Amino acid sequence: DTEVTQTPKHLVMGMTNKKSLKCEQHMGHRAMYWYKQKAKKPPELMFVYSYEKLSINESVPSRFSPECPNSSLLNLHLHALQPEDSALYLCASSQPGTTLYEQYFGPGTRLTVT
Amino acid sequence: AQSVTQPDIHITVSEGASLELRCNYSYGATPYLFWYVQSPGQGLQLLLKYFSGDTLVQGIKGFEAEFKRSQSSFNLRKPSVHWSDAAEYFCAVNGGGSYIPTFGRGTSLIVHP
Repeated sequence: DTEVTQTPKHLVMGMTNKKSLKCEQHMGHRAMYWYKQKAKKPPELMFVYSYEKLSINESVPSRFSPECPNSSLLNLHLHALQPEDSALYLCASSQPGTTLYEQYFGPGTRLTVT
Repeated sequence: AQSVTQPDIHITVSEGASLELRCNYSYGATPYLFWYVQSPGQGLQLLLKYFSGDTLVQGIKGFEAEFKRSQSSFNLRKPSVHWSDAAEYFCAVNGGGSYIPTFGRGTSLIVHP
């Protein structure tokens, strides 16, 4: 199974709402990533978890809060977002410590902040 | 530091024509190189990858890419394009033991019937 799943597929939220994005993989990968992608742009790295520990935070505003409850799950908690945070949020996974650095991406959550 | 350049923002081809998408990288040693495809509203799908060995690599959906060290290039090719190939294509590079890829800006492929 080489699938990364993400829920929800679409999310519309107001600037005062609190919501969460979820990501799940069952490939045994121990690195998981959150990316933000604007239209016609490459993915921008936000966070990296390696062995369930936050290893990289690319200076992301605190209104985005990641969580890795276990090796298969990755959440992104959202609070007090701004309209410019509207984007496609992609989750990915890979296996660190090997030569196989390719990432497997989920289908993304299309987020609209109103 | 590693970097990737995709010089073409858009490429337009006719269905059935051949395709080549360009990718140039900057890295001191032999990098790990990838091509991803993204259909509208979807995530990225890995097309193919190069780590070492044969410089011509085959991928899914009939794509291939050739690693040319002398030109620091990893161009993507397909002999006959189908309308369903219309998508955004990203080249990516990993190097130095980092598992964080650097993506190129992407090339948008438009396929005319």
